[in-house]
Amino acid sequence: KAGVTQTPRYLIKTRGQQVTLSCSPISGHRSVSWYQQTPGQGLQFLFEYFSETQRNKGNFPGRFSGRQFSNSRSEMNVSTLELGDSALYLCASSHGTNTYNEQFFGPGTRLTVL
Amino acid sequence: AQKITQTQPGMFVQEKEAVTLDCTYDTSDPSYGLFWYKQPSSGEMIFLIYQGSYDQQNATEGRYSLNFQKARKSANLVISASQLGDSAMYFCAMRGPDSNYQLIWGAGTKLIIKP
Repeated sequence: KAGVTQTPRYLIKTRGQQVTLSCSPISGHRSVSWYQQTPGQGLQFLFEYFSETQRNKGNFPGRFSGRQFSNSRSEMNVSTLELGDSALYLCASSHGTNTYNEQFFGPGTRLTVL
Repeated sequence: AQKITQTQPGMFVQEKEAVTLDCTYDTSDPSYGLFWYKQPSSGEMIFLIYQGSYDQQNATEGRYSLNFQKARKSANLVISASQLGDSAMYFCAMRGPDSNYQLIWGAGTKLIIKP
């Protein structure tokens, strides 16, 4: 079974630009979560989608948005990039959203904003 | 609100020794799940082990075991016979109704295995 895939793996953008990151979950998984990881702030939750509906949202500005398609693939978009958006963006998929559903992570997209 | 605390920012351990990584949690939910993940320098987060709050026995997965002490609200990860490849960041996480089943993460412990 293929794991979670994320594209692109690396991205360099300049301030003010926008970026779209993609995540393909493990086949059969309907839940996709996104996280931002930085050395200073650690792992921070962005949002979670289940069957195309946003279930949870973290404490991020509206510049961060996401969506999930009918095939469970998900995208996240960051508009008007700031230097502080430089981070590793991790996507995770799981069967469901219960307490026992472990999340499986992709390799991440490393975004650098210049 | 749910909270995870990992008090060890970093640890050095001699190869082949056992190592215990501490994790304490706080929740008012009776039903919750506890997870441990490993993150090597490559960045990918790797799921290691799961413990449910109602599980009677401590979870084990190969060299990994979870020392679950419910009354003390602790869920320490034990790695037996450590290997050089175990050097990584280790994160404890939990999910339950109190957080709308969102995973709540600890700050992590950086483990370095010395040859």
